[in-house]
Amino acid sequence: SQQGEEDPQALSIQEGENATMNCSYKTSINNLQWYRQNSGRGLVHLILIRSNEREKHSGRLRVTLDTSKKSSSLLITASRAADTASYFCAPPYSGAGSYQLTFGKGTKLSVIP
Amino acid sequence: GAVVSQHPSRVICKSGTSVKIECRSLDFQATTMFWYRQFPKQSLMLMATSNEGSKATYEQGVEKDKFLINHASLTLSTLTVTSAHPEDSSFYICSAGTGSNQPQHFGDGTRLSIL
Repeated sequence: SQQGEEDPQALSIQEGENATMNCSYKTSINNLQWYRQNSGRGLVHLILIRSNEREKHSGRLRVTLDTSKKSSSLLITASRAADTASYFCAPPYSGAGSYQLTFGKGTKLSVIP
Repeated sequence: GAVVSQHPSRVICKSGTSVKIECRSLDFQATTMFWYRQFPKQSLMLMATSNEGSKATYEQGVEKDKFLINHASLTLSTLTVTSAHPEDSSFYICSAGTGSNQPQHFGDGTRLSIL
C-alpha cells in the first residue's frame, strides 16, 4: 500500500492569503486525489488529477502533479475562514480487488478571519 | 453529485452492546464500499474493503469477527461492531467508490461512544 504524505502538517494564515500544501508519494499512480475534512465530518472530494495531467483547477483550487518527482501540490487562493479544515492527498493503489485510498496525517489549515 | 448517507451519526451505548452502522449510496451504485476508523487527531485508517455480494477484505490487525461487514446490494453496506467495548469508541466513516479513476464519496461518519 502507499499513502500520500502531506506537508506542512499545520498551516495558519490570514483570510485572503493563499495556502499551499504539498504531497509526496512513493509508487507510480494512475491519478491522485485531494480531499478535505471538516472537524467531526466525513471527507469531501476536492479534485482528482490524472497521471497525464500537470495542472487542474476547480474554483479557487489549483492542483499540480509532477510524476517525475512523485509530488503534488494544492493551492487555495484568496482563502476564507470556511476553508479551515484538514486536507489530505490520496494516491489510489490496487488492493482487495479494487482501488483503495490510504490517508496520511494531512495538513491542518487554519484560516484566521 | 454523488451522495453517501451514513446512519446513525452518533451512538452512545453500554459495553457489550452490538452496534450496526449503515452506509447507503443514494444516487449511484457503488461497486465497492470502504470502512475507515479515525481516532482523535489521527488520520483515517482503512479497516476493510467490501464488494457487493462477496466477503469483505479486512486490513491487517482488524478483527473480522469483531467488525462484521455486510454488503448486500450495490447501494448498502453495514458495519456491525459486536460486543463493543470502550476501546472501540471511535469515529467510523464509510465511503463508496465506482472505479479506479473515480473519487470515493464519503459519509458523514458515526461517532461511537461505548460507556
